[in-house]
Order: sequence, then structure tokens, then C-alpha cells
Amino acid sequence: KQEVTQIPAALSVPEGENLVLNCSFTDSAIYNLQWFRQDPGKGLTSLLLIQSSQREQTSGRLNASLDKSSGRSTLYIAASQPGDSATYLCALGAGSYQLTFGKGTKLSVIP
Amino acid sequence: DAEITQSPRHKITETGRQVTLACHQTWNHNNMFWYRQDLGHGLRLIHYSYGVHDTNKGEVSDGYSVSRSNTEDLPLTLESAASSQTSVYFCASSESRGQIYEQYFGPGTRLTVT
Repeated sequence: KQEVTQIPAALSVPEGENLVLNCSFTDSAIYNLQWFRQDPGKGLTSLLLIQSSQREQTSGRLNASLDKSSGRSTLYIAASQPGDSATYLCALGAGSYQLTFGKGTKLSVIP
Repeated sequence: DAEITQSPRHKITETGRQVTLACHQTWNHNNMFWYRQDLGHGLRLIHYSYGVHDTNKGEVSDGYSVSRSNTEDLPLTLESAASSQTSVYFCASSESRGQIYEQYFGPGTRLTVT
């Protein structure tokens, strides 16, 4: 059974800092990996989708990488802003159109 | 713009009552999913559907049912609500596009069972 781990569970950084969020998984037979953002009391917003054949995807200040051989993905946020404060979740797709989610990293960017 | 809507956004009900949560998507996606989100457990799959008249059980399906009579809607029914079903419920959808499937989520329904 696929297991997805996100460490740390919470992270606090000063505004302007570059940061990396981690996602590790146990089964490398995946089709794609999706990063989401969740604001308090809100739904999940898709940030980036990486296909299994890709190594990274970029959107603005966000860059997500995928290394299937080591079972890891990272989400890099450049020049963090207070508006980036949210919980970030990674989810793996490994068939049947289903996703397996990590429990998320709660990010706080301090002004 | 295409979207997923859920209703109600908040619901308080009593133990033993039947409750139905609505999910409506205008993406015209074949695949629809129901999750619950709880502290310490993250998101867990309850039921899912790959198309009209298709339904499947997920990881935590006991006490829940779904039916799919059209492409746009997948209502979730709690047959006899229990306090353990107090949670935030999310509906999601994705298209069937080979091995690539990006899920889109609704805003959630916060359900409290007293």
C-alpha cells in the first residue's frame, strides 16, 4: 500500500526566505504527483501536477520536482510572502484515477 | 468558469438521522470522488465513481452511500449519522485522460453530528 509522508508537519519562516517542502512515498510506480494548497476552512487548490515522465514543473515562484527512484518530491517556494501561509499537501496518483494524500505541511510566513 | 459546488456548506444533525450532501460539477468530468478530512488522518477516500451508474467503495465507506444518475452530480448519503462521522467532507472530480489525472476540489461541507 502506498504511503505518503510530509515532514515537517509545520514550518515557520520569515518573509522573503526561500523554502522547500518535502514529500516522500514508498512505491515508485506512480503516474503523477499533485501539489495542493489548502487555506483554513477552504477546499484544496491544485498548484502543480508532475507527470511520472517529468522531473519538475514550475509556476511562478513555485517549483516542484519529482525523483521516483528515491521516492521523493519537493515543492520549492521562492521569496516567500505572508500570503503563502497555508497547508500544502502532496498526493500521488498510481492508477484507477485515485490519489493518495500526505497529511500536509502547515506553512507560516512571518512578516 | 467550470467549478465544483457543494451544499450545504455547514450542517448540524442528530445521531441516527439520514443526511445527504450534494456535489455538483460543471467540468463535465467522468470521475468524481468523496473524501473526508480529519485531524491526524488527512484526506481519506469514501466513495468514487467513474461515470453514470458506476459507484465504488473507498477506504472508509462504511455508513455512507452514493449514486450517480448523471455526469454532474454525486450526492453522498449518510444512512444513519453517527458522531464518528463529524468531519469535513470534500468532493472532487477529474477527467479520464490516459494516465494523467488532475483532481479539482469543491469548497467542502462541515458536518457536525450531535
